[in-house]
Amino acid sequence: QVQLVESGGGVVQPGKSLRLSCTTSGFTFTDYGFNWVRQAPGKGLEWVALIWFDGSDIYYGDPVKGRFTVSRDDSKSTVYLQMSSLRADDTATYYCARRYGDGVDFWGQGTLVTVSS
Amino acid sequence: QAVLTQPASLSASPGASASLTCTLRSGINVATSRIYWYQQKPGSPPQYLLRYKSDLDKHQGTGVPRRFSGSKDASANAGILLISGLQSEDEGDYYCMIWHNSSAVVFGGGTKLTVL
Repeated sequence: QVQLVESGGGVVQPGKSLRLSCTTSGFTFTDYGFNWVRQAPGKGLEWVALIWFDGSDIYYGDPVKGRFTVSRDDSKSTVYLQMSSLRADDTATYYCARRYGDGVDFWGQGTLVTVSS
Repeated sequence: QAVLTQPASLSASPGASASLTCTLRSGINVATSRIYWYQQKPGSPPQYLLRYKSDLDKHQGTGVPRRFSGSKDASANAGILLISGLQSEDEGDYYCMIWHNSSAVVFGGGTKLTVL
């Protein structure tokens, strides 16, 4: 079955960096693009980034442009989100979500990132 | 003005129907928009419900009951998620989403549905 498993979350100080991973299984990885979507505690969903199925196109939400970088390793069926210059308002659960059409179908369970001194 | 606007909350009775709206910002035509709907329950990730653009361009998520359906209200420039035969298990947060300007995913603010 389709599985997306995020990892790499934790507590990090403001201004520091963190890399999240999304390891996938149960489908042909190279057929799909992937989104990162975050959700601050008690808040709604906020799109973070999208990488195309072949890595040819990458898009970012305005709040993370210039600070976050999405990438993929097809040999490992894994998507990454490199986060730098982290701020308190980046505190959220980060979800990896498989692109379907121009939307999303499957989501991972999420990994919590807390930015705090 | 937000790209997608959803009412913050909605209450309905068991067995009744609920219409959750997702209003698109002026200048974004609902007729040409493919709208995705997600359900989220506390402590869990969102789950894909369905996609709706028209009766000829729609998709139901795997295992999603047929009592969840999509439609549009062109006069209000809004997408609609209709849930019929409401059950207590339908309580949760519902989000709409579109692919905007061919470069960004946008979510609505979400509607908290209470079944009581």
